[in-house]
Amino acid sequence: DGGITQSPKYLFRKEGQNVTLSCEQNLNHDAMYWYRQDPGQGLRLIYYSQIVNDFQKGDIAEGYSVSREKKESFPLTVTSAQKNPTAFYLCASNTALNTEAFFGQGTRLTVV
Amino acid sequence: AQRVTQPEKLLSVFKGAPVELKCNYSYSGSPELFWYVQYSRQRLQLLLRHISRESIKGFTADLNKGETSFHLKKPFAQEEDSAMYYCALSGSYGKLTFGQGTILTVHP
Repeated sequence: DGGITQSPKYLFRKEGQNVTLSCEQNLNHDAMYWYRQDPGQGLRLIYYSQIVNDFQKGDIAEGYSVSREKKESFPLTVTSAQKNPTAFYLCASNTALNTEAFFGQGTRLTVV
Repeated sequence: AQRVTQPEKLLSVFKGAPVELKCNYSYSGSPELFWYVQYSRQRLQLLLRHISRESIKGFTADLNKGETSFHLKKPFAQEEDSAMYYCALSGSYGKLTFGQGTILTVHP
């Protein structure tokens, strides 16, 4: 079954902890993205990567970090520096500029 | 900077009524514009893009560069159209920027 897989579906984090959200795709897409979805604020771009071993900050990168060591994987780490991490996180990928983006099912992160 | 604005957070219509979801954008170059839809318990998916100029599920959207708008329209709404709709712009380096989203509810 081709597509984008995010794990886990639900994640609980204690304050002060770092957590890593997984995103894997088998679509052979070059570009991958991380978005944060909050009610009333739409999707906001956290980080994106156009190619392996390269990535750029999006609009709300503070408190987050990413890596792109493999084409199919783009994990997102939510660090303790992120002041309001409770949100729904979406990963996406596409093949090249201006083409359809495919999304994962999302990870809901809750800080307890 | 690229920006997408969807002025309506909530939109309610009755079945069979026309529906229009508004989208305005800000971008200095030639944008690629999209509408994405998220049905209940499903992942976000592409509904249509302006370059294809096609109708999907009865929805159409026309890019108006003069008004910098890309409104989504359907002449007769159906209950199954109830969902969250996002307008998106693809600009520099393929960076995809989304609007705030509009929740459409179609009442029977």
